[in-house]
Amino acid sequence: RKEVEQDPGPFNVPEGATVAFNCTYSNSASQSFFWYRQDCRKEPKLLMSVYSSGNEDGRFTAQLNRASQYISLLIRDSKLSDSATYLCVVRTSGSARQLTFGSGTQLTVLP
Amino acid sequence: EAQVTQNPRYLITVTGKKLTVTCSQNMNHEYMSWYRQDPGLGLRQIYYSMNVEVTDKGDVPEGYKVSRKEKRNFPLILESPSPNQTSLYFCASSSPGSTGELFFGEGSRLTVL
Repeated sequence: RKEVEQDPGPFNVPEGATVAFNCTYSNSASQSFFWYRQDCRKEPKLLMSVYSSGNEDGRFTAQLNRASQYISLLIRDSKLSDSATYLCVVRTSGSARQLTFGSGTQLTVLP
Repeated sequence: EAQVTQNPRYLITVTGKKLTVTCSQNMNHEYMSWYRQDPGLGLRQIYYSMNVEVTDKGDVPEGYKVSRKEKRNFPLILESPSPNQTSLYFCASSSPGSTGELFFGEGSRLTVL
């Protein structure tokens, strides 16, 4: 079983739609959680951290469910520019060494 | 501009011909790391370095070497490349106080024939 699992998609949604991605992790000792965004053939970039109480950044909402060991990312009012691969990232210790990346979920927002 | 720079960005080589992918960062980060990204497998860590002269294996170190003689540079060395090392490689760096943000280079696409 992979340490971090994501539905690879692709998710094809119309502009303006709301779309949600889930990610599950296997290590119950995981401490920190993140969503990264990766555009086609580009490097990953941090989208947002995921806090226990849930957090929002504009149209993006991230939530964490420690009991069920999953995190989610909700994108409201999708824009064409949201088309990308979204990587779920989990950290199991205090150092950046222990970052484990999911394989990513591909999103295409259609006009 | 704060950045991580990798070279070359694209390379086609043949089996057994030694090559080095350079990585340099200008953010004075202690931590640097190399990843490879393959379809369906996500990003997998090859080697990492917590500081100058301190390196350690990641999850897939076989066939690779690294060195960290200076803080800003962290080259990845393939002594005898093989076709299974055909991949997209990313260098990344992070500051000690970072909770999880890695700054990535633009990637190096390597093809080994």
